[in-house]
Amino acid sequence: DAGVIQSPRHEVTEMGQEVTLRCKPISGHDYLFWYRQTMMRGLELLIYFNNNVPIDDSGMPEDRFSAKMPNASFSTLKIQPSEPRDSAVYFCASSLRRGTYNEQFFGPGTRLTVL
Amino acid sequence: AQSVTQPDIHITVSEGASLELRCNYSYGATPYLFWYVQSPGQGLQLLLKYFSGDTLVQGIKGFEAEFKRSQSSFNLRKPSVHWSDAAEYFCAVGAVSFQKLVFGTGTRLLVSP
Repeated sequence: DAGVIQSPRHEVTEMGQEVTLRCKPISGHDYLFWYRQTMMRGLELLIYFNNNVPIDDSGMPEDRFSAKMPNASFSTLKIQPSEPRDSAVYFCASSLRRGTYNEQFFGPGTRLTVL
Repeated sequence: AQSVTQPDIHITVSEGASLELRCNYSYGATPYLFWYVQSPGQGLQLLLKYFSGDTLVQGIKGFEAEFKRSQSSFNLRKPSVHWSDAAEYFCAVGAVSFQKLVFGTGTRLLVSP
């Protein structure tokens, strides 16, 4: 299996621009998670989906952030407009629920720099 | 609500020495516990997990962890550290009814020659 795939791996943009991060989960997994990692706040869960439906978006910092999962093999995290404080590494993870089993598999991350 | 505390931000260990990374959790019921490792520029990789049963669990790369309910702890250990173990280590707790995990702030392991 190819694992969780994220693109791009690095993104540099200017303040005010729209940024779209992409994720392809492991085939057959029914949960998808978006995390943000910064030095100050550590690893934060932003939102997660089950069977393409958003379940908990309480970690999304503000309305500038939105996430979609149009099908089981693709999700996007969009920031519009971007701000320098959005600079972070964004991880996507997926899991397959087997009973109560919830091991998450992480992608390599997208390093976002907003100038 | 679940929470995880990793009290050590950085730890330096000599190569070949033993290692113990501390993790304390807060959760009202039996937790699911995980240790993940993150190498520089990489995503998180699962080292080991505890769901139930034997409180001493073995993981990959020679790591083990012990679940102690009385101390609300799930410390990670390795008897002999290799230079390649230098990385950041995250403890996480999951709830029985929910799929999301709560992560600790991480411990950065440095290995000295």
